[in-house]
Amino acid sequence: KAGVTQTPRYLIKTRGQQVTLSCSPISGHRSVSWYQQTPGQGLQFLFEYFSETQRNKGNFPGRFSGRQFSNSRSEMNVSTLELGDSALYLCASSFRGGQGMNTEAFFGQGTRLTVV
Amino acid sequence: QKEVEQNSGPLSVPEGAIASLNCTYSDRGSQSFFWYRQYSGKSPELIMSIYSNGDKEDGRFTAQLNKASQYVSLLIRDSQPSDSATYLCAVKVRTGANNLFFGTGTRLTVIP
Repeated sequence: KAGVTQTPRYLIKTRGQQVTLSCSPISGHRSVSWYQQTPGQGLQFLFEYFSETQRNKGNFPGRFSGRQFSNSRSEMNVSTLELGDSALYLCASSFRGGQGMNTEAFFGQGTRLTVV
Repeated sequence: QKEVEQNSGPLSVPEGAIASLNCTYSDRGSQSFFWYRQYSGKSPELIMSIYSNGDKEDGRFTAQLNKASQYVSLLIRDSQPSDSATYLCAVKVRTGANNLFFGTGTRLTVIP
């Protein structure tokens, strides 16, 4: 069974540019969550998508956005890049249950974004 | 106040010893608790999940949850050098939603 696939693995961008990252979840998982990991702030939740709709959102500016397609693949976009956006961006795949259901999240290998 | 707190370490234990990792959380209504292992330069790997009070064992790993004390721990028995990594505690406040709150992680070194 294939795991969570993130592309690209590495990116170098210039301040002011925009970037799009992609995530394909585990087959059968329809929930995709995105996280940012930095040495200073640790792992922080960006947003979750399920059934092509954003279900939860973390405390990040509007420059960070995402979407999900009908095949559950998800993309996240960061516009007007800042130096502080340099981070490891991680995608997590889950089976999204209803209230009362416990589900586990499995991470992809991440995209290392460097903004120069 | 941070949602999830862990001792950042580093924690060093000799090979074969028991490593004990601790985590506290602030939201009393939290429902689900996870331990992830992250090797340097890699992504987090799920090693344990626990949902109810008590102990849960899986091989050399035991997770312990005490909701009254808002405390979750991970014990690693017979520690091996390959266990050297950063261990992240994660908490899900509501079932059904998939946003995790992470601690900053505890760096564990197992000395051969």
